[in-house]
Amino acid sequence: DIQMTQSPSSLSASVGDRVTITCRASQGISNSLAWYQQKPGKAPKLLLYAASRLESGVPSRFSGSGSGTDYTLTISSLQPEDFATYYCQQYYSIGATFGGGTKVEIK
Amino acid sequence: QVTLRESGPALVKPTQTLTLTCTFSGFSLSTSGMCVSWIRQPPGKALEWLARIDWDDDKYYSTSLKTRLTISKDTSKNQVVLTMTNMDPVDTATYYCARLRGYSYLFDYWGQGTLVTVSS
Repeated sequence: DIQMTQSPSSLSASVGDRVTITCRASQGISNSLAWYQQKPGKAPKLLLYAASRLESGVPSRFSGSGSGTDYTLTISSLQPEDFATYYCQQYYSIGATFGGGTKVEIK
Repeated sequence: QVTLRESGPALVKPTQTLTLTCTFSGFSLSTSGMCVSWIRQPPGKALEWLARIDWDDDKYYSTSLKTRLTISKDTSKNQVVLTMTNMDPVDTATYYCARLRGYSYLFDYWGQGTLVTVSS
């Protein structure tokens, strides 16, 4: 199975800050990388797929980049509703695998 | 409008078999390219993919859990059923069903999840 490693596991930031989360795959995944946002008690919500494609309805302050094994999620200007846990997920191989999550907290 | 909803017991005893049902609307599992998966999340932990069933009844399972899992569908009822045998306290988690986008393992619609606690 492909292992996904996210960092950091948590971070504190203020409204308006630029936030970057990284995700590393144990082998190349050819941009088959998605990012999800999860708020407490709720199901994950798809934000981006194919490493950099924004899901319909997702604000443009969210962006993704990367290639090969290394990917990033950037929130350009953190908003109050963005405080949540973010997960990366590879869908390159049969059987999806998720990263360990990054909790974005209010500073 | 696509919706999914999980149902099943909130509490099971160790060694018992868990049966969960995902009832969905807004799409049909008899349509070419449609697929549904189960994913779980232990309290405070990360997500773990469990199983997938395709419109043509192809099935895929997590390598680590495949001996304990069975996924099936009832197209006429718009339901997908997951059974997990020999439940253990470490299986305590919120269990989600989700629709896949095409044949990829990209989950575009999720149910709200159902918490299953394994305890005697």
